Amino acid sequence: EADIYQTPRYLVIGTGKKITLECSQTMGHDKMYWYQQDPGMELHLIHYSYGVNSTEKGDLSSESTVSRIRTEHFPLTLESARPSHTSQYLCASSAGEFSGNTIYFGEGSWLTVV
Amino acid sequence: GQNIDQPTEMTATEGAIVQINCTYQTSGFNGLFWYQQHAGEAPTFLSYNVLDGLEEKGRFSSFLSRSKGYSYLLLKELQMKDSASYLCAVSDSNYQLIWGAGTKLIIKP
Repeated sequence: EADIYQTPRYLVIGTGKKITLECSQTMGHDKMYWYQQDPGMELHLIHYSYGVNSTEKGDLSSESTVSRIRTEHFPLTLESARPSHTSQYLCASSAGEFSGNTIYFGEGSWLTVV
Repeated sequence: GQNIDQPTEMTATEGAIVQINCTYQTSGFNGLFWYQQHAGEAPTFLSYNVLDGLEEKGRFSSFLSRSKGYSYLLLKELQMKDSASYLCAVSDSNYQLIWGAGTKLIIKP
């Protein structure tokens, strides 16, 4: 199982604030992902990366941005948080086709915007 | 379009057996995954099927029929801790995961 870490786990911030959710993995996985999930609802892919300097938008339109400067690090940034951004954000990584693209998730970051 | 269907909710009794079905229509197929997600937690990997047949892992088994676009997750000797959502996901021709909405499994004593 992949070692993948997210910080912060829980955060309450005010509207208009800038926030970066950190994600790091120690397995050397090339592929990394950010999903958004509201309680009891489906997973929605918002960003993914195939490797360093690669970033792609996912299926769900998001006002967040990502960067991939190092293999192990894939931070997600909200420039100006709004109450509609309140959700759980899940970072994930995979080794790609070698494992059928089995995805391993971090513990998640719960964001509340007030 | 790509589609994954699984029941929204199922209820079963502690100690019993439950089968959670998943049907899919995707552009290409590179494997099917089952994940378990407890409320408020991240999904955890349960199983991966890429060839037809049954894969057994302790109390959990997963079956795949590629010709029918069908899979099921079988949970035996149910325990209260098995109460969770079970997510079916298919890896398409580009190795992108297409996720189902999940099946919420409620275990009653």
